[in-house]
Amino acid sequence: DAKTTQPTSMDCAEGRAANLPCNHSTISGNEYVYWYRQIHSQGPQYIIHGLKNNETNEMASLIITEDRKSSTLILPHATLRDTAVYYCIVRAYYGGSQGNLIFGKGTKLSVKP
Amino acid sequence: DSGVTQTPKHLITATGQRVTLRCSPRSGDLSVYWYQQSLDQGLQFLIQYYNGEERAKGNILERFSAQQFPDLHSELNLSSLELGDSALYFCASSASGVETQYFGPGTRLLVL
Repeated sequence: DAKTTQPTSMDCAEGRAANLPCNHSTISGNEYVYWYRQIHSQGPQYIIHGLKNNETNEMASLIITEDRKSSTLILPHATLRDTAVYYCIVRAYYGGSQGNLIFGKGTKLSVKP
Repeated sequence: DSGVTQTPKHLITATGQRVTLRCSPRSGDLSVYWYQQSLDQGLQFLIQYYNGEERAKGNILERFSAQQFPDLHSELNLSSLELGDSALYFCASSASGVETQYFGPGTRLLVL
């Protein structure tokens, strides 16, 4: 079972920031928080990941709370092309079965004009 | 473009048949993962290979098998196909067994 809880759906106005929350209250010390998205039926696209510090790349920012029990993915200026299902995944940084991705149902983000 | 390629894009076949799906990982990646996405089950991990050897198994049926070849491409073999095997099959690759996984565009399988 997925170790994360995300809202089923969210709406965001085009050009505004999209803030997608994720709860992972049982995360352990060696587990990273990963975010992927899936646009329609395309392959999941990697967005960003982090351990405990906030991270930023060209796609998004990831804010992880100090206790690491929750995080927020921020898309700073959402566009219509950001409409997708966003998955928050916790993953141990080891090989073998612990390293595999366990997808939950994710959050369907709809960006509206 | 993630750099992971999968063929074919679409596959239509009949129950009881056997098919082979192919995946080429990103250049330099040693690990390949297979995932299945059906309407009712979501994205599920099937199996992982690392440098030619099986590393981990998930919810893979006995009718399904996979291998990774010396050139690091991988094939997923599905046999005695059933209607319920209709799904999207994704391949992902990573540099090792622990790095970020990058997904291919998928193969859509329809079993009639």
